Amino acid sequence: RKEVEQDPGPFNVPEGATVAFNCTYSNSASQSFFWYRQDCRKEPKLLMSVYSSGNEDGRFTAQLNRASQYISLLIRDSKLSDSATYLCVVSPRGSNYQLIWGAGTKLIIKP
Amino acid sequence: ETGVTQSPTHLIKTRGQQVTLRCSSQSGHNTVSWYQQALGQGPQFIFQYYREEENGRGNFPPRFSGLQFPNYSSELNVNALELDDSALYLCASSDPGLAERSYEQYFGPGTRLTVT
Repeated sequence: RKEVEQDPGPFNVPEGATVAFNCTYSNSASQSFFWYRQDCRKEPKLLMSVYSSGNEDGRFTAQLNRASQYISLLIRDSKLSDSATYLCVVSPRGSNYQLIWGAGTKLIIKP
Repeated sequence: ETGVTQSPTHLIKTRGQQVTLRCSSQSGHNTVSWYQQALGQGPQFIFQYYREEENGRGNFPPRFSGLQFPNYSSELNVNALELDDSALYLCASSDPGLAERSYEQYFGPGTRLTVT
């Protein structure tokens, strides 16, 4: 079983729709959680950090369920520019700040 | 932009050769992590340097080695290149002293290595 699992997609979504990504992690001692966004052939960019039960930044909402070892990302009112791959990232406790990455979920927003 | 720079941007090498990739971290960040990202995959952790010392290593063979300098810039060296080493190599900087934000990593644009 992979340490961080995501649905690879692609998710094809019409502009303006709401889309949700799910991610599960295997290490129950994980303590830091992130969503990164990666455009084609570019570097990953930090989208949101998830430090408690969840947080919201504009159209983006991230939630964490420690009991189920599950993280989600919700994008409301999706824009064409949201098309990218979304990577779920976890840092296990005691890992010396090392990050474990999911393979990413590809999102395609259609006009 | 993150302020993390990498060089070169693209590189083509022949199997068996050696390569050195370079990274300059964001100002104030003393930790550099290196990742290998194959097409369609998430980044795979190679190793991390904190204040010039290796601070952890992923599942990569010894022919992958690194170095961090007093100014916190870093190098990744790969010896005896293999075809499977073709990938995007990413460098990320961070600052463990930032409390809640200590795990946040900021990436450079990467070096795309092709081994033929």
